[in-house]
Amino acid sequence: SYELTQPPSVSVAPGKTASITCGGNNIGSRRVQWYQQKPGQAPVSVVYDNSDRSSGIPERFSGSNSGNTATLTITRVEAGDEADYHCQVWDSSSDHWVFGGGTRLTVL
Amino acid sequence: QVQLVQSGPEVKMPGSSVKVSCKTSGDNFNTYTMSWVRQAPGQGLEWMGNIIPMLETPDYAQKFQDRVTITADESTTTVYMELSSLRFDDTAVYYCARIIGQSFDHWGQGTLVSVSS
Repeated sequence: SYELTQPPSVSVAPGKTASITCGGNNIGSRRVQWYQQKPGQAPVSVVYDNSDRSSGIPERFSGSNSGNTATLTITRVEAGDEADYHCQVWDSSSDHWVFGGGTRLTVL
Repeated sequence: QVQLVQSGPEVKMPGSSVKVSCKTSGDNFNTYTMSWVRQAPGQGLEWMGNIIPMLETPDYAQKFQDRVTITADESTTTVYMELSSLRFDDTAVYYCARIIGQSFDHWGQGTLVSVSS
């Protein structure tokens, strides 16, 4: 089965840029989604189809995908961006949905 | 405006079953893919299965194939997830979500299922 690998944690100072990676075998050939999840809340879609922002998501959030790594980039990080971020793809070989393990973004 | 409203928290004994509901609002209930995803305490998201209400044929993750049943009631635009033979490690928050394309674009608020003796 297809697997996605995320770093458990990423830390960034306010106003700086955070990059959260999602690794998978030839993930560049797939469409990657990203979800933000704050404590005690349901996930919220932030990026879909690799780089399209979901409705209401600031332009500070962007996505890219190439080779074996997809990346969610958050510029001018704010305290309110502190959350868990999950990547996700659809695995065509099994017709199933796959999530990464999630990355905790900490704003210093 | 799409809204997914789930049933309340449950406490269950090991070996029993739980059935969680997800009431949807918005258009075209029958044609969207509705999914269930769970999250154990401190863990990531885990896809369990899908159903397209119009087709009534669910698709399950292999891990849950023998224990999960996903159904849909078109008359009430509600989807259900029933998990049987509950174990302690089934303690988790269970979410319903709507899939558009390959993205889970709307989520329910989550239902905590606690398995305890």
